[in-house]
Amino acid sequence: GAGVSQSPSNKVTEKGKDVELRCDPISGHTALYWYRQSLGQGLEFLIYFQGNSAPDKSGLPSDRFSAERTGGSVSTLTIQRTQQEDSAVYLCASSSMVPYEQYFGPGTRLTVT
Amino acid sequence: SQQGEEDPQALSIQEGENATMNCSYKTSINNLQWYRQNSGRGLVHLILIRSNEREKHSGRLRVTLDTSKKSSSLLITASRAADTASYFCATDRLTYTGANSKLTFGKGITLSVRP
Repeated sequence: GAGVSQSPSNKVTEKGKDVELRCDPISGHTALYWYRQSLGQGLEFLIYFQGNSAPDKSGLPSDRFSAERTGGSVSTLTIQRTQQEDSAVYLCASSSMVPYEQYFGPGTRLTVT
Repeated sequence: SQQGEEDPQALSIQEGENATMNCSYKTSINNLQWYRQNSGRGLVHLILIRSNEREKHSGRLRVTLDTSKKSSSLLITASRAADTASYFCATDRLTYTGANSKLTFGKGITLSVRP
């Protein structure tokens, strides 16, 4: 079946602009995760949605970052007033309750100029 | 905060040799997973080992888990040039609801397999 998809694959934006990144999880997966990976670094957890529960937003770096998940499926990560330090690859993953393996999308490479 | 930490940070071996990568973590875990990332691509899940398991095999991969030492190792046998990638360990903790919790990743190990 189809894997996790993300769009756009690349995004270049000017400092101060808002951006929206989209994630389509695997159909039927109840959990959806957003991570950020800076050049040569590991993955930084951002936010996690599980079913109808309140999302775990503990990893969002500032209030410029927000995310929503509509209808328990598609998710959008929004970054307002982008800064250069926001430049990174943003990865989305989904998983079912059991097993706990996460399936990752190809990522969106965001460059803030 | 960093949970999993891998070592070495970089490993270069000859094709056909075995590659051993280690991961240590700090708090109690539910599961430990290993992922691979090819340059500029998304992560691919390799193997999951539960906290009550000690060893697991999948093809040329062997994972061990020592919860008393809070460490895991990933062994790739008979390495191939195509195994060149970054490898990450990731841990999750059991939540009160039993549902998935977020994964905490290490910074990764860069494996280079020379043909």
